[in-house]
Amino acid sequence: KAGVTQTPRYLIKTRGQQVTLSCSPISGHRSVSWYQQTPGQGLQFLFEYFSETQRNKGNFPGRFSGRQFSNSRSEMNVSTLELGDSALYLCASSLEWGTAYEQYFGPGTRLTVT
Amino acid sequence: AQSVTQPDIHITVSEGASLELRCNYSYGATPYLFWYVQSPGQGLQLLLKYFSGDTLVQGIKGFEAEFKRSQSSFNLRKPSVHWSDAAEYFCAVELYNKLIFGAGTRLAVHP
Repeated sequence: KAGVTQTPRYLIKTRGQQVTLSCSPISGHRSVSWYQQTPGQGLQFLFEYFSETQRNKGNFPGRFSGRQFSNSRSEMNVSTLELGDSALYLCASSLEWGTAYEQYFGPGTRLTVT
Repeated sequence: AQSVTQPDIHITVSEGASLELRCNYSYGATPYLFWYVQSPGQGLQLLLKYFSGDTLVQGIKGFEAEFKRSQSSFNLRKPSVHWSDAAEYFCAVELYNKLIFGAGTRLAVHP
């Protein structure tokens, strides 16, 4: 069974632009969570989607948004990029909502904002 | 405030030596506890987890962890470190259906 896949793996954007990252969960998994990893703040929870609905949200500004499609694939979008948004963005999937204890992580998308 | 603390930012050990990485949490109840490993440029791989029961948990790659309620700790151990264990290690708890991570401990292994 294929693992969690994230595309693209690397991305360079300019301040003020917007970016969309994609995550395909493990087959059969219906919950997708996103985390941001930076040297300064560490690993922080962004949000979780289940059944095309955001079920949980971390403490991030409204510039960070996401969505989930009927096939459970998820995208996250960051608008008006700031230098501080440079990070590794990790996606994790689990079978159902409420199963964060059984999350599997993808390899991440490395976003660099210049 | 609720938190996960990994007191050691960097640890260096010699290959073949034993290893213990520390993790403390501050939550009222016993949360679900995890250790993850991250190699450079990679995502997170689950080493082991503790939900309840036996306080000594065995994981992959020869790692084990011991939950001590009295000390609010969940320390990771390995009896003999291999050069391939060089990576960053994260302790985490599950709270309100999301993972809260410690700051991580970067492990270097001397040949």
